[in-house]
Amino acid sequence: AQTVTQSQPEMSVQEAETVTLSCTYDTSESDYYLFWYKQPPSRQMILVIRQEAYKQQNATENRFSVNFQKAAKSFSLKISDSQLGDAAMYFCAYRSPYSGGGADGLTFGKGTHLIIQP
Amino acid sequence: SQTIHQWPATLVQPVGSPLSLECTVEGTSNPNLYWYRQAAGRGLQLLFYSVGIGQISSEVPQNLSASRPQDRQFILSSKKLLLSDSGFYLCAWRTENTEAFFGQGTRLTVV
Repeated sequence: AQTVTQSQPEMSVQEAETVTLSCTYDTSESDYYLFWYKQPPSRQMILVIRQEAYKQQNATENRFSVNFQKAAKSFSLKISDSQLGDAAMYFCAYRSPYSGGGADGLTFGKGTHLIIQP
Repeated sequence: SQTIHQWPATLVQPVGSPLSLECTVEGTSNPNLYWYRQAAGRGLQLLFYSVGIGQISSEVPQNLSASRPQDRQFILSSKKLLLSDSGFYLCAWRTENTEAFFGQGTRLTVV
C-alpha cells in the first residue's frame, strides 16, 4: 500500500515571501499521480497542482510550483509571493493510475497548516 | 460545467440514530464516486468508492455503508451511529482523465 508523509504539521511565512511544504511518499508503482490540495477554513478541498509521475518537468500553476524528485519519492510544493488567502491546510495526495481493486482513491498525507503573517 | 452537491452541511445526531448523507454530481456521466472521512487533525481517509451504479467498494471495515442508486448519486448511511462516527465527511468524483473534485463536506457530530 502507498503511504504519504507530510513531516511539517505547521509552517509560517511572512506575506510576500516564499515557502516550501514537504511531502514524501512510498510506492512500488512506476506510474502514478501526485496532487497538492488546499483546504481553507471553509473545509472544501481545492486542487492546487497535479503532477504525473512519467513527466520529468515540474508542474507549475502561477505562484505554485512543485519539486518532483521521483527517485527520492519527494514532492514538495513551493508557494511564491505568499498571500493572506493562501492560509489553509495543505494536503499532499497520491493516486494510482489503475481503477478498481482498492487502488482507485486518493491517499492523503496528514496535512500542513500554513500560516501567513501579515 | 460539472458541479457536486453534498448535504446537509452540518448534522448533529444522537448515538444509535440512523444516518443518511447524500451527494449528487451534475454535468458528467459515469463518474467514479468517493466518500472520505476527515477526523480532527488528520488527513482524509477513503471510506467507499463506486465505479458504477450498484457497485460499491469499501476500504475500511466500519459502521457505515454506501449505496449508488443512480449514476450520479452516492449515499452514505448508517443504521446506528456511534460516537466514533463523528467527523467531517467529503464526497468526491472524478472521471478517467480528471483529478478528484470534492463537495463542500458534512460536519457530523454524534452526541
